[in-house]
Amino acid sequence: EAGVVQSPRYKIIEKKQPVAFWCNPISGHNTLYWYLQNLGQGPELLIRYENEEAVDDSQLPKDRFSAERLKGVDSTLKIQPAELGDSAVYLCASRPGGAHTGELFFGEGSRLTVL
Amino acid sequence: KQEVTQIPAALSVPEGENLVLNCSFTDSAIYNLQWFRQDPGKGLTSLLLIQSSQREQTSGRLNASLDKSSGRSTLYIAASQPGDSATYLCAVNGGGSEKLVFGKGTKLTVNP
Repeated sequence: EAGVVQSPRYKIIEKKQPVAFWCNPISGHNTLYWYLQNLGQGPELLIRYENEEAVDDSQLPKDRFSAERLKGVDSTLKIQPAELGDSAVYLCASRPGGAHTGELFFGEGSRLTVL
Repeated sequence: KQEVTQIPAALSVPEGENLVLNCSFTDSAIYNLQWFRQDPGKGLTSLLLIQSSQREQTSGRLNASLDKSSGRSTLYIAASQPGDSATYLCAVNGGGSEKLVFGKGTKLTVNP
């Protein structure tokens, strides 16, 4: 069974440019998360989806970040415009069932460098 | 607000040693706790998931315990190997927050 798939693995852009990350969760996993991880820190939640509904986006900087999960499967996280401080690893994760059940599985992450 | 602390931040041991990694959390009303391993430049790999009703879980050389009343979990690694070198993170689900809260991790180095 395929795990959580993310692309691109690496992205280098200049500040003020847009960037998008894509995530395909494990088949059948209803709950999908986007996390941000800075060097030496644990992941921090950006947004959580239950099927196609964003049920927790309180940590998402909505002035420049947006996300969507059309049809409750794949998801895209977009940053526009990117700032220097956005350089980090963006991790996607999924789990079966709701937020309080089951094991959480992560993708390999998308490493963003903003110059 | 749930806070998760992992001590020590880094640990270096000789191969073959048994070791314990610690994770503490401030709110004991949790649903579950999960231990992950992260290799450099990689995503997180799930090691063990302990439900709130459980006291411990085992997988191979790994054993994780949970004491909700004291807000602590430990990850025991038996007979450590150089391949165990990685950062180990614990994540707490619940405890006043609907989101998974991570510690900063313990960076483990096992020397041959």
